[in-house]
This record gives sequence, structure tokens and C-alpha cells, in this order.
Amino acid sequence: RKEVEQDPGPFNVPEGATVAFNCTYSNSASQSFFWYRQDCRKEPKLLMSVYSSGNEDGRFTAQLNRASQYISLLIRDSKLSDSATYLCVVNPTGSARQLTFGSGTQLTVLP
Amino acid sequence: SAVISQKPSRDICQRGTSLTIQCQVDSQVTMMFWYRQQPGQSLTLIATANQGSEATYESGFVIDKFPISRPNLTFSTLTVSNMSPEDSSIYLCSVASAGGNTIYFGEGSWLTVV
Repeated sequence: RKEVEQDPGPFNVPEGATVAFNCTYSNSASQSFFWYRQDCRKEPKLLMSVYSSGNEDGRFTAQLNRASQYISLLIRDSKLSDSATYLCVVNPTGSARQLTFGSGTQLTVLP
Repeated sequence: SAVISQKPSRDICQRGTSLTIQCQVDSQVTMMFWYRQQPGQSLTLIATANQGSEATYESGFVIDKFPISRPNLTFSTLTVSNMSPEDSSIYLCSVASAGGNTIYFGEGSWLTVV
């Protein structure tokens, strides 16, 4: 089993739609969780951290379910500019050296 | 977050040659990392660049193939030696966040070996 698993997609959604991605992780002791966004032929950029109580940043909502060992990212009112690959990232120990990256979920928002 | 500059941004290299990628950060950072992202794959940590000492390599990566320098707290280089087409990849320099539990990336160096 991979340490971090994501549905690779692609997810093709119309503009304005709501879309959700899930990511599962294998290490139950994992401490920190993040979503990164990677545009085509660009470097990954930190989108948001994921907190135990769930957190929201504009149209983006991230949630953590420790019991089931998954995190989710919800995007409301999708924009064309949201088209990208979304990477789930888990830190099992708290050290930046230990980050584990998922393979990414590809999202295309269609006009 | 720190501003991280890498060069070259992309290159096409001949099989058997070596290429050195430079990474410059606009502030002093303790932890710098080098990642590889092969086509269609996720990111894999190559090594942690340590200032004043040898880099710490992850399983599957060795110093002879990926020598790393870290002369100070703002600069590092990664060399990809004796390249083969399998080395075609994005190479990313990164630094730890202020909290130390995640990282920020440079723009990446896109390497194609022919």
C-alpha cells in the first residue's frame, strides 16, 4: 500500500461546479497535512495546511479525518484558473525532510 | 515565504554528460532539499543539503550520481552526473517553512537527456 494515495483523475468539471478530492494515508501517527497545487510545467505551491478541525480559505475547504486516515479538499464555484494538479502531502514526523507526496489529482475546469 | 531561484530553468543534455543546477535563496535557511519529479510521477526527495558537511542522501540516491554542495546558508548546487535518458526529470530545490513542517519550492529545472 502506498503511503499516500490519491485518485489520479482526471476530474473534468464545468465552471461553477463543486468538486472534492480525497487522499488516504497509511501512517496513523502522521502529524501534518497539506494540499499543494501544481500547474502544468510549474513547481508545486502550497495551497493550504489541513487542520484537525477543518479549515477554509475562500472557496477551498480542507478536512482531516484521523479515524479513517484521509484528508479532503473541496473546491466550490470552480474557476477556469483552478485547473491544475492537486497534491496531497503528509508529514509523518513533523520534520520537513519526511514529507510524503501523493501522485496528485488532475482537475480541469471547463468553460 | 523565501524566494527561491533556480538555474538553469531547463536544458537539453547529451547522454553521458553532467549538469549542475544552482539554487539561490533570498534569506538564510537551515534546511535545503533537492527533489526529483519524473514525468507523470510524484516528488521524490533526493537529499538534504547540509551547510558545511556532506549531504544526507535518501535511499536509492548516491553522492557519485548526485553530488551536492552547500557552501553557505543561501546557496546550494545539485549535479546530475553521467546522465542517461532516465534522468530526464524536473529537479526542484526547496527550503523548509518557518515552522519546519513543510516546504517551499523553487521554480524547478527541467532536464531532458537525449
